[in-house]
Amino acid sequence: SQQGEEDPQALSIQEGENATMNCSYKTSINNLQWYRQNSGRGLVHLILIRSNEREKHSGRLRVTLDTSKKSSSLLITASRAADTASYFCATDALPNAGGTSYGKLTFGQGTILTVHP
Amino acid sequence: DTEVTQTPKHLVMGMTNKKSLKCEQHMGHRAMYWYKQKAKKPPELMFVYSYEKLSINESVPSRFSPECPNSSLLNLHLHALQPEDSALYLCASSQDPVENYGYTFGSGTRLTVV
Repeated sequence: SQQGEEDPQALSIQEGENATMNCSYKTSINNLQWYRQNSGRGLVHLILIRSNEREKHSGRLRVTLDTSKKSSSLLITASRAADTASYFCATDALPNAGGTSYGKLTFGQGTILTVHP
Repeated sequence: DTEVTQTPKHLVMGMTNKKSLKCEQHMGHRAMYWYKQKAKKPPELMFVYSYEKLSINESVPSRFSPECPNSSLLNLHLHALQPEDSALYLCASSQDPVENYGYTFGSGTRLTVV
């Protein structure tokens, strides 16, 4: 089952504008990650934020995490046409009592971002 | 080498065929994963290998059989598949299943079952 819910499902903006995508999840997490997927291709890891972190930056990317609300957001600043892709959040859950959930990265439904030149 | 290589890129197989998907990484990662992705859906976890041992099987039908011959290779053996198994199959690896720094994904095998 997919525990992450993302909104919006689709986002269309002009080059140079900022894009914000949100992700909500249900269970306690070890970390939350964001990935990009160009049409029909593999996923590319963008950024990882741990449960004890609140904000992280990487280039034009800014990620926030609010564990009390079980939500995260990804901000892409000064967007470019090349940023057009699907963006997924993925949660790395805390291990269960038996420790058998290690490595169980669960993806949200994704946001399709279109950046118009 | 910072890549995960998957072969073949495309595969068309009949419901009575046996085929295998291959995945290779030379980053020294000790965890490897198989994901299945249907069109316009997120990837869904199938199997996790940790230090060459199967650690998670997400109740995948037995017509999918994973194998990890060594720390660099991961195979997915396919037998008697159904048309609904048509999807993009993604392999990924990470340094360690416990200490997660992010996954490296291959570009996938697009499988069509006819």
